[in-house]
Amino acid sequence: DAKTTQPNSMESNEEEPVHLPCNHSTISGTDYIHWYRQLPSQGPEYVIHGLTSNVNNRMASLAIAEDRKSSTLILHRATLRDAAVYYCILSGNNQGGKLIFGQGTELSVKP
Amino acid sequence: DAGITQSPRHKVTETGTPVTLRCHQTENHRYMYWYRQDPGHGLRLIHYSYGVKDTDKGEVSDGYSVSRSKTEDFLLTLESATSSQTSVYFCATGRTSGSYEQYFGPGTRLTVT
Repeated sequence: DAKTTQPNSMESNEEEPVHLPCNHSTISGTDYIHWYRQLPSQGPEYVIHGLTSNVNNRMASLAIAEDRKSSTLILHRATLRDAAVYYCILSGNNQGGKLIFGQGTELSVKP
Repeated sequence: DAGITQSPRHKVTETGTPVTLRCHQTENHRYMYWYRQDPGHGLRLIHYSYGVKDTDKGEVSDGYSVSRSKTEDFLLTLESATSSQTSVYFCATGRTSGSYEQYFGPGTRLTVT
């Protein structure tokens, strides 16, 4: 399974954009890049995913490098509710949809 | 949000007793998963199912078994609970693999004394 590398923690100020980086240099051509987040005392929550092109949804944007060896999750305006652990995960169609969680990035948001 | 419920939400049991955790979904998703989460380890996949009666092992399957007799239910059984199985257990579902998101349940906190 291809691995991902994320910073252990990051800080942001409320209402400012946040860029959460993820390195995945061993990604294969069929691996999708998924982002999940986990708020305190809750189960993980899907944020966004993509394959090659940048993706936007109501929660965030996903910027994928041209060589696909890294990606960045962008929260356009951080709120206190965005404080969570963010996981960058690779998943391929031939892996039964298994998600291999790493340690993630703990994001704290200051008012 | 997908309708995923887990029962029980909290359980305390003694070492050596059997325990069954239930995951129920109302979304008719084909895939279902069981994860455990421990401090310092993040979430780890225990078992998963890709259809009724079709299951496979994850990365930490020893001491656990699963069954899926209906699309909507996925059971996780600890045949003889040990203290090392004290954890928070999360169930998840997915329409298909890889290209689609997974939806997670609220979790079951299991304590084995």
